[in-house]
Amino acid sequence: EAGVAQSPRYKIIEKRQSVAFWCNPISGHATLYWYQQILGQGPKLLIQFQNNGVVDDSQLPKDRFSAERLKGVDSTLKIQPAKLEDSAVYLCASSLGLGGLSSYEQYFGPGTRLTVT
Amino acid sequence: GDSVTQMEGPVTLSEEAFLTINCTYTATGYPSLFWYVQYPGEGLQLLLKATKADDKGSNKGFEATYRKETTSFHLEKGSVQVSDSAVYFCALSDIWSGKLVFGKGTKLTVNP
Repeated sequence: EAGVAQSPRYKIIEKRQSVAFWCNPISGHATLYWYQQILGQGPKLLIQFQNNGVVDDSQLPKDRFSAERLKGVDSTLKIQPAKLEDSAVYLCASSLGLGGLSSYEQYFGPGTRLTVT
Repeated sequence: GDSVTQMEGPVTLSEEAFLTINCTYTATGYPSLFWYVQYPGEGLQLLLKATKADDKGSNKGFEATYRKETTSFHLEKGSVQVSDSAVYFCALSDIWSGKLVFGKGTKLTVNP
């Protein structure tokens, strides 16, 4: 079974530029998560989708970050304009669904390391 | 809101030493608890989990017991190996959404 795919793996941009990350979850997984992991900290949830609907985006800085999952499969996360403090690893994870404990296990992609200079 | 506090690192041990990484949590309701591991250059992997009080999760020689009375989920291993060198994250999940809340991580280095 293929895992969660993310691209690019690395990105370096200047502040005020825009950037987009792509995630393809495990086939059949209805729930998709984007996490931000700043160096030395644990991952923090940015946004959670159930199919193509948003479940939780309370910690997404909506003035500069946006995300979509139009067909309920792959997803893109965009930052525009980027700030220095956005330097982090952006992790995508997926799970079968919301219901039932076995559905909660999240599988993580390798992440995209963003450096903003 | 929900939070996880885990032992500050880094932790350096010799091979075959006993490992404990402390983790405590604050949550409303009854969350599930997890330990994730991140090996150098790799993504996050689920190491073990426990879904209710007094459950013990175990995998690859690692164990952790869900202690509701002390709100803890400490990770232990009786004899660590060099290959266990990694960053370990304690986490809890909201029972309704599945959203994970992570601790800051503890870096473990095991020397031969």
